[in-house]
Amino acid sequence: GENVEQHPSTLSVQEGDSAVIKCTYSDSASNYFPWYKQELGKGPQLIIDIRSNVGEKKDQRIAVTLNKTAKHFSLHITETQPEDSAVYFCAASMGSGYSTLTFGKGTMLLVSP
Amino acid sequence: NAGVTQTPKFQVLKTGQSMTLQCAQDMNHEYMSWYRQDPGMGLRLIHYSVGAGITDQGEVPNGYNVSRSTTEDFPLRLLSAAPSQTSVYFCASSTGYNTEAFFGQGTRLTVV
Repeated sequence: GENVEQHPSTLSVQEGDSAVIKCTYSDSASNYFPWYKQELGKGPQLIIDIRSNVGEKKDQRIAVTLNKTAKHFSLHITETQPEDSAVYFCAASMGSGYSTLTFGKGTMLLVSP
Repeated sequence: NAGVTQTPKFQVLKTGQSMTLQCAQDMNHEYMSWYRQDPGMGLRLIHYSVGAGITDQGEVPNGYNVSRSTTEDFPLRLLSAAPSQTSVYFCASSTGYNTEAFFGQGTRLTVV
């Protein structure tokens, strides 16, 4: 089955800095790559996703890049703010009817004022 | 619009007891899933369903049972609780594969 590795496990930045979280996946058939943000005591929430026919996608301060040849994708957060502090999960999924999401182990991001 | 509702939010069980974690969604989503979240392990899929009457196993199904009799509800049953099942459980729903999954607030289960 699919295996998703996520790094780093923790990331501390100063407010205003950029943060980058990287993930690799093992199954070349995967074609959907979402990122979820989980705040303390809450369920994960989708922040951005990318499909295999796109190399990069941006949404305000958040961007995701995908390199299918190398089988890795990354989350980029610019101009970080304290409210960006949370656990971030990457995931991968194949595009078949019964496909399921395989999640990375998560990155705890701490943005200090 | 309630989204995905999980009950209870907290539960303490004794080893060997059984219980059902409830999950309901009001978005008419076909896909529903159960995950467990353990420190340093991320989210691991327990069971999932692609529609009423259809369920399948995920990565860690042992000790859990599910059924899907309606589109709205997807309960997770612990048959005989073990300390290894101490975890935070999340239910999620989506319109289909490769679409946004909406998660509930979670159930924190402790087995003593």
